[in-house]
Amino acid sequence: GQQLNQSPQSMFIQEGEDVSMNCTSSSIFNTWLWYKQDPGEGPVLLIALYKAGELTSNGRLTAQFGITRKDSFLNISASIPSDVGIYFCAGLWMNDMRFGAGTRLTVKP
Amino acid sequence: DAGVTQSPTHLIKTRGQHVTLRCSPISGHKSVSWYQQVLGQGPQFIFQYYEKEERGRGNFPDRFSARQFPNYSSELNVNALLLGDSALYLCASSPEWGGGETQYFGPGTRLLVL
Repeated sequence: GQQLNQSPQSMFIQEGEDVSMNCTSSSIFNTWLWYKQDPGEGPVLLIALYKAGELTSNGRLTAQFGITRKDSFLNISASIPSDVGIYFCAGLWMNDMRFGAGTRLTVKP
Repeated sequence: DAGVTQSPTHLIKTRGQHVTLRCSPISGHKSVSWYQQVLGQGPQFIFQYYEKEERGRGNFPDRFSARQFPNYSSELNVNALLLGDSALYLCASSPEWGGGETQYFGPGTRLLVL
């Protein structure tokens, strides 16, 4: 089956720093999604990407759908304490959705 | 508007027991999907139901079953619980079949099997 490799596993950054995380796969997807999960909550969709090469922003978040359709990255600029949480990538092929293992982000004030 | 709701929030069972988890979708949503999220991992797809019919199944044993009711709420049943079934069980609803980026997740039910 399609496996997603998400990195890094965790990040400890200072408030105000930029963050970058990525996801790679051995198979192609036709949609890439990025979610954030807070403790005790379900994942919340941040950004959806539909075309190879697409670059999409949502406030301080920017994500790109890789040209090969096998990877995606998420950038967070000027991090703030409320950015703390676990970020998941997810690839969608037809109706089959696969999640990465997550990147745990800690922001120090 | 109410989001996806799940009950119970937490549950402790022993090996061999049976468990039923419940999910109420967002009003107007006809599709419900279930995911298992083991600690330190991303969610893994178990089932999708649309209009009361199973429309997708992940790679889970037959001990896992689900159903969807006429009001679009759903139950996930797990029989003969194993220690490895300990996880956060997430329900997600979407307006139509397929879901994908239109899915909204509930807060989950945390199941601990002792």
